[in-house]
Amino acid sequence: AQSVTQLGSHVSVSEGALVLLRCNYSSSVPPYLFWYVQYPNQGLQLLLKYTSAATLVKGINGFEAEFKRSETSFHLTKPSAHMSDAAEYFCAVSKETSGSRLTFGEGTQLTVNP
Amino acid sequence: KAGVTQTPRYLIKTRGQQVTLSCSPISGHRSVSWYQQTPGQGLQFLFEYFSETQRNKGNFPGRFSGRQFSNSRSEMNVSTLELGDSALYLCASSLLGGPQETQYFGPGTRLLVL
Repeated sequence: AQSVTQLGSHVSVSEGALVLLRCNYSSSVPPYLFWYVQYPNQGLQLLLKYTSAATLVKGINGFEAEFKRSETSFHLTKPSAHMSDAAEYFCAVSKETSGSRLTFGEGTQLTVNP
Repeated sequence: KAGVTQTPRYLIKTRGQQVTLSCSPISGHRSVSWYQQTPGQGLQFLFEYFSETQRNKGNFPGRFSGRQFSNSRSEMNVSTLELGDSALYLCASSLLGGPQETQYFGPGTRLLVL
């Protein structure tokens, strides 16, 4: 079964520091991978997605992620954290045979310190 | 374009009751998926509807059911509520429900079962 693992349920960075949120997937076929962000009391908002067009994917709010097949990883990065980036981040996977069904990781709570 | 809307936003029920949640997708979207979010289990896929037919189903008991209307609006029903059903229920819509399509999430309905 396909799954995603997010390493670190809580990540804390200083404002202006690099943000790195880790996601590893397990899939026997190339998956489609997504990063979503959730602010308190809100739904999920798509940051970016990988659909095999390019391994380096740029998303909204300065985030990007690189698909590495050899490492089965899709880590999310942002060069300089902003206070407004504090939120919970979810990595998710789907594949052809599962249709629109997303399997989510456990989530990573990002704290940005002033 | 209006986003995904969910009603009600908050709901309090008692054990044994049943509840119906509603979701209106983005105009033109034909696929609607439902997810349950809890602190313990995270985000879990419930089911997906497309053109009034259930196309995909997660691992939830039969107490959880749904339907979709001809205008793509969807409802989910939970019968004989249990304390463990307390959760944020998220609805997401996409154009056709393909695995690489972006799913757009609503703000969710927070259900508390007492």
